[in-house]
Amino acid sequence: GDSVTQMEGPVTLSEEAFLTINCTYTATGYPSLFWYVQYPGEGLQLLLKATKADDKGSNKGFEATYRKETTSFHLEKGSVQVSDSAVYFCALKSNTDKLIFGTGTRLQVFP
Amino acid sequence: DAGITQSPRHKVTETGTPVTLRCHQTENHRYMYWYRQDPGHGLRLIHYSYGVKDTDKGEVSDGYSVSRSKTEDFLLTLESATSSQTSVYFCAISEGQGANYGYTFGSGTRLTVV
Repeated sequence: GDSVTQMEGPVTLSEEAFLTINCTYTATGYPSLFWYVQYPGEGLQLLLKATKADDKGSNKGFEATYRKETTSFHLEKGSVQVSDSAVYFCALKSNTDKLIFGTGTRLQVFP
Repeated sequence: DAGITQSPRHKVTETGTPVTLRCHQTENHRYMYWYRQDPGHGLRLIHYSYGVKDTDKGEVSDGYSVSRSKTEDFLLTLESATSSQTSVYFCAISEGQGANYGYTFGSGTRLTVV
């Protein structure tokens, strides 16, 4: 079945460092891919998405490119801030119409 | 949270008691979902609904039932709570079906079964 694999966390960075959180997927058909962010004590918020191969989603300085050849959707940010500390979830949605999530990656950014 | 409210936000209950969690939306979206979030598992789908009185099971539905008698409300019931159902429960809504539509999530209900 469809699945999403994310890198284990926590990812610990200093402010202004470069961020990469890896995400790979397995799916039949041509899924859409999403990144959601969860701040402490809150629900998940959509961060960005890409609906077809080679699309780049971007929002708030975060970017991810839909790579069909490597079945990946890695999240990147050039310069993280303390306020980016959160849990990040990669997800896919395919023909089943259900969002399937990875296990989440906690990001901790220190001043 | 964009017109979606979960209640209660926190609940402690005893093993064997019934519990009902409520999800209320003001967006008039047809599609509603219940997930549970557990460490090491991410979010897992419990039940979902495609409209009034149209519900179906997700991957972890055992021990849970749902009802949707109105578009705006989606209720999740634990018939007889167990400690393994201690979790954070999230409701989500979607305005459309298909790969292009993401979900909007509520703020969650933290349930502890003692």
